[in-house]
Amino acid sequence: GAVVSQHPSRVICKSGTSVKIECRSLDFQATTMFWYRQFPKQSLMLMATSNEGSKATYEQGVEKDKFLINHASLTLSTLTVTSAHPEDSSFYICSAISVTTGNYGYTFGSGTRLTVV
Amino acid sequence: DQQVKQNSPSLSVQEGRISILNCDYTNSMFDYFLWYKKYPAEGPTFLISISSIKDKNEDGRFTVFLNKSAKHLSLHIVPSQPGDSAVYFCAARKDQGGKLIFGQGTELSVKP
Repeated sequence: GAVVSQHPSRVICKSGTSVKIECRSLDFQATTMFWYRQFPKQSLMLMATSNEGSKATYEQGVEKDKFLINHASLTLSTLTVTSAHPEDSSFYICSAISVTTGNYGYTFGSGTRLTVV
Repeated sequence: DQQVKQNSPSLSVQEGRISILNCDYTNSMFDYFLWYKKYPAEGPTFLISISSIKDKNEDGRFTVFLNKSAKHLSLHIVPSQPGDSAVYFCAARKDQGGKLIFGQGTELSVKP
């Protein structure tokens, strides 16, 4: 089945620094990837949708200059949290579209726990 | 604007009994609905889905029911097992390949 690999699984960074999270589709080509964040005991909130080779579409209220998304290839999308602050601490999850999986293509990564200190 | 709602944050069920998790939505343009199981610090795992043209889909112990007129869907798990204990999310989308909108989740606890 389709597999999405997300790295790192957890990261701690200092306030003011930038952190990059990678999302790779291992055995399929992902034309579209979605980035979510989840706060404790809350829902998965969509941050942005990225299509290969084009600019990401951000949801209302998500700062595009703070959360930089790059989807330069059909197997890799990256989310960079720039100038991170403690309020950016959250669980970030990517999802990729595959035409081969039975659930209409939504395969999720294992998530990244970001802690900003 | 919460388009997908799960109004029960938690549910406790005895092993062997039926678990019923509910989900309501407001957008009549949603054409596909999915249920996911999630553990803390992990990504969601797909369970079962249903198209808006159907009212029921079954897969083993899991059955999803859709009531379009009420904009309501439910996930039935029978019989419930302790390994089913997790947070369950319903999600909806408007068109194939479109973004998923998630509900708030329901934490299911199945007691032995």
